[in-house]
Amino acid sequence: GQSLEQPSEVTAVEGAIVQINCTYQTSGFYGLSWYQQHDGGAPTFLSYNALDGLEETGRFSSFLSRSDSYGYLLLQELQMKDSASYFCAVSPYSGNTPLVFGKGTRLSVIA
Amino acid sequence: NAGVTQTPKFQVLKTGQSMTLQCAQDMNHNSMYWYRQDPGMGLRLIYYSASEGTTDKGEVPNGYNVSRLNKREFSLRLESAAPSQTSVYFCASWGGGSNQPQHFGDGTRLSIL
Repeated sequence: GQSLEQPSEVTAVEGAIVQINCTYQTSGFYGLSWYQQHDGGAPTFLSYNALDGLEETGRFSSFLSRSDSYGYLLLQELQMKDSASYFCAVSPYSGNTPLVFGKGTRLSVIA
Repeated sequence: NAGVTQTPKFQVLKTGQSMTLQCAQDMNHNSMYWYRQDPGMGLRLIYYSASEGTTDKGEVPNGYNVSRLNKREFSLRLESAAPSQTSVYFCASWGGGSNQPQHFGDGTRLSIL
């Protein structure tokens, strides 16, 4: 089976950098994804890592290390609008098996 | 470009009533999913349909049934609603490819009294 662990809450200051970690236990997976969800909204896709290393998309970067069973989402130049919940998810091997999501990290950006 | 459309957006039921949540996608995706989201619990998979004509149980299927009506539509039915089913329900679709995202609807906020 698969399980993912994330911190439940993180608080950071506007303009700063924050890292949200995700550790996982899985028998095998194609890649690690990150989704963002604002209060009252739907989850939306942020990034995907199939290979070890860093993927950068604007202010957001995501990292994967398969040997350490670990990944993280890095948010730079934090803005108030980045306050949201962030979910990591793995795409298991085996065809159409659905994504497995972590329980999410609630990020609060303060002035 | 609607994406994934869920109806209704809000609903209040009494215990024991039945209800069908509707979901439709216009992206020609094969796979569709129903999740529930409760505070602190993340997204929990109820049922999914990997392709038209197939459905499978997820993590929390008890008390629910689903129908994959056609490639576009995937409905979730509560036959006898219980207060424990008060939640936000999300439908999602996926077109395949491990690097491709799931697309979510805006959710249905369901309260059962």
